[in-house]
Amino acid sequence: EVQLLNSGGGLVQPGGSLRLSCAASGFTFSSYAMIWVRQAPGKGLEWVSGVSGSGDSAYYADSVKDRFTISRDNSKNTLYLQLNSLRAEDTAVYYCAKNSGSHHKYYFDYWGQGTPVTVSS
Amino acid sequence: QSALTQPPSVSGSPGQSVTISCTGTSSDVGSYNRVSWYQQPPGTAPKLMIYEVSNRPSGVPERFSGSKSDNTASLTISGLQAEDEADYYCSSYTTSSTWVFGGGTKLTVL
Repeated sequence: EVQLLNSGGGLVQPGGSLRLSCAASGFTFSSYAMIWVRQAPGKGLEWVSGVSGSGDSAYYADSVKDRFTISRDNSKNTLYLQLNSLRAEDTAVYYCAKNSGSHHKYYFDYWGQGTPVTVSS
Repeated sequence: QSALTQPPSVSGSPGQSVTISCTGTSSDVGSYNRVSWYQQPPGTAPKLMIYEVSNRPSGVPERFSGSKSDNTASLTISGLQAEDEADYYCSSYTTSSTWVFGGGTKLTVL
């Protein structure tokens, strides 16, 4: 059974940093691309970032480019998202999701439960 | 990258059919058959309902179907049931190697 367990969210001040984690199980982690999607309170879904199965290729939404960094440790079956220079508008629930193939151009077939990030002073 | 355009809300009575549209551009919906649909009941994570325009994952009822014409994709739910009440989001891969979601549509079963 595929499982994605999000963690690492919390309350952080503007300009601060946070690292989110997504622990994966039930599939060959290194064979699949992974993504992060966020959802601001009462708002829709926003794609944030994606990484290939090998970790060699990463992609970002313009809204987070140069502030967020996606990475993965295939030996630990874990996906990460490093959030720097956080702003109030980054407040959201962050979900990790599994792509259906090794490249992030494939659809997302499994999602984590989400971890909330609140940016406030 | 602008969000795909979905109607904010749709409604229907049990047993009826509803269709949710998802309009993009030639840089996303119009360029690829990489359109998918997700169902999100309140307070839960999204769930894949349709992938690559018209394919249903195992376990998704046949009542759910998808299609696409030019820059607009559609999700049709036939034989509406109370359990279908949720938010629905479309998404598409783009020519910029990114993904874009629709703004979401709230389905109400009357």
